[in-house]
Amino acid sequence: NAGVTQTPKFRILKIGQSMTLQCTQDMNHNYMYWYRQDPGMGLKLIYYSVGAGITDKGEVPNGYNVSRSTTEDFPLRLELAAPSQTSVYFCASSYGGVTDTQYFGPGTRLTVL
Amino acid sequence: GQQVMQIPQYQHVQEGEDFTTYCNSSTTLSNIQWYKQRPGGHPVFLIQLVKSGEVKKQKRLTFQFGEAKKNSSLHITATQTTDVGTYFCAGGTNNAGNMLTFGGGTRLMVKP
Repeated sequence: NAGVTQTPKFRILKIGQSMTLQCTQDMNHNYMYWYRQDPGMGLKLIYYSVGAGITDKGEVPNGYNVSRSTTEDFPLRLELAAPSQTSVYFCASSYGGVTDTQYFGPGTRLTVL
Repeated sequence: GQQVMQIPQYQHVQEGEDFTTYCNSSTTLSNIQWYKQRPGGHPVFLIQLVKSGEVKKQKRLTFQFGEAKKNSSLHITATQTTDVGTYFCAGGTNNAGNMLTFGGGTRLMVKP
C-alpha cells in the first residue's frame, strides 16, 4: 500500500492564482482531512470528510474548498491565493473518527508571492 | 472553541537527559493521541490514551492521561539523537464531532 499520497510536493503561486492540491489514499479509509501547518506551529484543520459526498468545515476553512466524489480522493482547492495561505498542507486519513489513528501524507509546501 | 496547549514550545537537551512535554486542554477530552514529526517530515502516530489516569509505555517513552482527562504528558527517558523532532498531542471530545484538536507541539533538540 502507498498509504496517503499528495501532489505536488512544492508549488509557488502568485497572488490571485488558483490551484488544486491532490490527495489520494489506498487504505479504504472513510475519513479524510486537510490540515495546514504554518512554520513552527501546530496543525490546523481546514476541512474534513466522513465519506464520499460528505464534507464539513474545520477550524480554518476560509479561502478553501473541497470535494469528495470517491472514497480514495479528497482534493483541496485554493481560489484567489493570498500570502496568508503560504504553509505546508497535509492530507490525512483514518478508518474511523477521532479515536482512530490518522495517517498523514508527505505534505505540499506552498508559497504564495 | 476547544483549545489544546503544549509546553514547552522548544527544549534543548544533552543526549542522555530526560525530556517531558505537557499538554493541557480547555475542555474534558474523550481521548488523546500523540504524534511525532521528524524535521521536514509528516506527523506519525505514536499512541492513544482514552481512560482517566491511563499510563502507557513504549520503550523509553511514557505517556500519561490525567485523572480529569484534561491534561497529558509524554516523558522520554535518556534521550537519543533519534528522538529529535516535534511532538504533538491531539485531543478529541464528544462535542467536537470528528475533529481532533492539535496542540502547538514541542520541538525537541538533542545535543550529542
